[in-house]
Amino acid sequence: KAGVTQTPRYLIKTRGQQVTLSCSPISGHRSVSWYQQTPGQGLQFLFEYFSETQRNKGNFPGRFSGRQFSNSRSEMNVSTLELGDSALYLCASSGPGPSSGANVLTFGAGSRLTVL
Amino acid sequence: DQQVKQNSPSLSVQEGRISILNCDYTNSMFDYFLWYKKYPAEGPTFLISISSIKDKNEDGRFTVFLNKSAKHLSLHIVPSQPGDSAVYFCAASGSRDGSARQLTFGSGTQLTVLP
Repeated sequence: KAGVTQTPRYLIKTRGQQVTLSCSPISGHRSVSWYQQTPGQGLQFLFEYFSETQRNKGNFPGRFSGRQFSNSRSEMNVSTLELGDSALYLCASSGPGPSSGANVLTFGAGSRLTVL
Repeated sequence: DQQVKQNSPSLSVQEGRISILNCDYTNSMFDYFLWYKKYPAEGPTFLISISSIKDKNEDGRFTVFLNKSAKHLSLHIVPSQPGDSAVYFCAASGSRDGSARQLTFGSGTQLTVLP
């Protein structure tokens, strides 16, 4: 079955702009999580959505937001971009239950954002 | 405050030898640990996991060891192959309060297996 699909793969923005990234999870997966990867920082948790509801949120400013649609597809938005927002944004999906012990996330290839 | 630490940013190993990647954690609420492997231009892929009720889990060439008292886990790859060259991330989560899918990652270790 198809994996996690993220679009766009690469994008360049300037400071002050906003960006929207999209993620299509594996069919049947209802949980979608977003992570930010920067050099030397590993992956940092942004938020997790399940059934269109945000279940968990990481320690990021309010400029970072997300949503999930009824078909489990998710988008994240970053407003008022800063240079430090340049990163690889990774989406991951998991299933099937809302709080199963299966913590295995399947990641997409990511969206590489460069802020100039 | 890094709750999951991978203190070695890089490791080089000869093909056929053992690779040992280490990870330390500070949060005693973590009870599930995972290793992910990441190639350039790809997302991380799940490798192996271990629950805190175990101290070892094996899958083919990959074995993860957990020492709860020391809050330390390690990934052993035997024998190492050039295709294993990638960045390896250690991750941890707690299963309470619906946080099962909120993984805390280490900063990664670049493994290079030399032919």
